[in-house]
Amino acid sequence: ETGVTQTPRHLVMGMTNKKSLKCEQHLGHNAMYWYKQSAKKPLELMFVYSLEERVENNSVPSRFSPECPNSSHLFLHLHTLQPEDSALYLCASSQQPGWRTRAGELFFGEGSRLTVL
Amino acid sequence: LAKTTQPISMDSYEGQEVNITCSHNNIATNDYITWYQQFPSQGPRFIIQGYKTKVTNEVASLFIPADRKSSTLSLPRVSLSDTAVYYCLVGDRYTGFQKLVFGTGTRLLVSP
Repeated sequence: ETGVTQTPRHLVMGMTNKKSLKCEQHLGHNAMYWYKQSAKKPLELMFVYSLEERVENNSVPSRFSPECPNSSHLFLHLHTLQPEDSALYLCASSQQPGWRTRAGELFFGEGSRLTVL
Repeated sequence: LAKTTQPISMDSYEGQEVNITCSHNNIATNDYITWYQQFPSQGPRFIIQGYKTKVTNEVASLFIPADRKSSTLSLPRVSLSDTAVYYCLVGDRYTGFQKLVFGTGTRLLVSP
């Protein structure tokens, strides 16, 4: 148990569907991240939110739309996805610098396995 | 961002010590070195972080030479459950961790 919970754990969707992935952290962190991990590829950083503001968007296609309503919750809205978007989507959180806890340590959820048909 | 290079895979046997070396020739003055472990279908898990010399915790040791252009993760007496992918990351502790980039990692296979 890492303190970061992702739902659903598994999702199958068609290319015309709209779905959302949810992430919740119970660690009091103020930065949250979405990563994508395709089979046999490195983790790809997709989005970073710090203090609920998006600070990084690594050229992710617009069919992926993040939302961070507060520092504990992060969503990834999915629409008109392609089969190549099938992957494990990982959420992570961390504490921003200035706090006494170890800065830069990422806490990951167990991921949402997405299959696009 | 400093680029890291690790061996793609390593094999070991139970009870042995495993050393995984990471090269980061372009490491900056403010960069820290962090290692993560990832099991299949799970998110990576923080193992250890260091800046220079040696850091040890309950699961691993991290050796960093004076020039900091490389680092070695040492796992003492590995067991089958240590079979995983190990990632070395380098980033500025105070700003760059927002852009942490994972490489391909080292796939460690521990056999009986």
